[in-house]
Amino acid sequence: DQQVKQNSPSLSVQEGRISILNCDYTNSMFDYFLWYKKYPAEGPTFLISISSIKDKNEDGRFTVFLNKSAKHLSLHIVPSQPGDSAVYFCAASARGGNEKLTFGTGTRLTIIP
Amino acid sequence: GAGVSQSPRYKVTKRGQDVALRCDPISGHVSLYWYRQALGQGPEFLTYFNYEAQQDKSGLPNDRFSAERPEGSISTLTIQRTEQRDSAMYRCASSLGPSSSYNSPLHFGNGTRLTVT
Repeated sequence: DQQVKQNSPSLSVQEGRISILNCDYTNSMFDYFLWYKKYPAEGPTFLISISSIKDKNEDGRFTVFLNKSAKHLSLHIVPSQPGDSAVYFCAASARGGNEKLTFGTGTRLTIIP
Repeated sequence: GAGVSQSPRYKVTKRGQDVALRCDPISGHVSLYWYRQALGQGPEFLTYFNYEAQQDKSGLPNDRFSAERPEGSISTLTIQRTEQRDSAMYRCASSLGPSSSYNSPLHFGNGTRLTVT
C-alpha cells in the first residue's frame, strides 16, 4: 500500500507563476514531512521540511503547508524559475526524524519560460 | 569530493551472481542509509546505520540482502544470488547528525544502477 501519494505525475507552470505540488498520506503516525528535489542523473536533494507541530514552514521561494486533519501537504514555489524544473518527492517519517523515510512516487515539474 | 560517493555507477550481472555495492559517505557524517528506487517510483528504505551499528534493517527484502559499515564510515550493500527483480537504482545517503535529528537532512549519492540479466 502506498502510504505517501503524489497523485499528479507531472505539472507544467509558466515562469514567474506559482507552482503547487500536492502530497497525501495515510499513516497517522507520520509526524515529520520533507520535500526532495531531483535532477536527472543525480540523487535527490533536500529542499524543505515540516514537523507535525507546525502547519507552515517557509524558506525563501519555497513554502510547505501541512493539513493534519486532511493528511495533506503541499509545496508552493513562488515565483517559479526554469531551474525549478525537476522531479519533486514528498517524504514522511513516523519517528520524528530522518529514520526510515517513506517517499511518494514523485511529480515532474516543468517550468515553461 | 564533498558529496556521497557510490561505486560502481553501473553494474550488470548475471542472475545468481553476488554483487557488492559501495558507499562512501560525506566525511564526518554519523548516519548512513540505503534506499532502493525502481523506475517511476520514489526511493524505498532498506536499512540504516548510526556509526557502525545497524539500527534498522526492516526494509531489506529478504536474507539475500545484507549491509555493513564496520568502521563507521564506508558501507557495503551485498546482494547474494541476484535475481532479475533485484534490478533497480540503489541509493546511499548520509546525514551529519544521528538519524533522529530534525536538522540533519539526508544527502543522497548518485546511486548504483544494478541490472540483473
